Amino acid sequence: NAGVTQTPKFQVLKTGQSMTLQCAQDMNHNSMYWYRQDPGMGLRLIYYSASEGTTDKGEVPNGYNVSRLNKREFSLRLESAAPSQTSVYFCASSEGPGVNTGELFFGEGSRLTVL
Amino acid sequence: AQSVTQLGSHVSVSEGALVLLRCNYSSSVPPYLFWYVQYPNQGLQLLLKYTSAATLVKGINDFEAEFKKSETSFHLTKPSAHMSDAAEYFCAVSINNAGNMLTFGGGTRLMVKP
Repeated sequence: NAGVTQTPKFQVLKTGQSMTLQCAQDMNHNSMYWYRQDPGMGLRLIYYSASEGTTDKGEVPNGYNVSRLNKREFSLRLESAAPSQTSVYFCASSEGPGVNTGELFFGEGSRLTVL
Repeated sequence: AQSVTQLGSHVSVSEGALVLLRCNYSSSVPPYLFWYVQYPNQGLQLLLKYTSAATLVKGINDFEAEFKKSETSFHLTKPSAHMSDAAEYFCAVSINNAGNMLTFGGGTRLMVKP
């Protein structure tokens, strides 16, 4: 009963390094999301994938790329990490599109520090 | 575009006291409104949601929220706080034709004193 699984849970990078955050869900959901969480700012949407084969920018997409590898997996890539990308990253999934229950299922988060 | 404002980044109550966490929203169309809870080192979990049915919504663990259109508010309450309620709470809004695109407030950290 895993739900949404993110890896890695912790990562420290140097400025300019690249890395990929992995996310997989086992609930047969169509839609997947990447959010970042910063103190006092709540969660802000980076990218989302309404269904397999589609991806769209959210509120704060600059410096990130995503890949919807298949229905289960949605990865987030930082090509050249910057200190401003220090944050906690959450992957989420939902039944959508067309099923507007508003319920997102979240992973446990990935804490990224960029030095 | 919709937005959410949560008044008070930190709220402290005594065990057994009333919990009141405030949320105001702005939306150009009738909104869907949600409260999520985040326990330490975990992801967010849905606490309750308003989707244009009853204006008083009951959620898990005796939490409830009332949608007040005239005040553009969706405050979260619980009659009696328990130590296990200590967490961060997020109010969120979506518009009904935007799928599950949620806009979150900044969060309120609830502390419960013994």
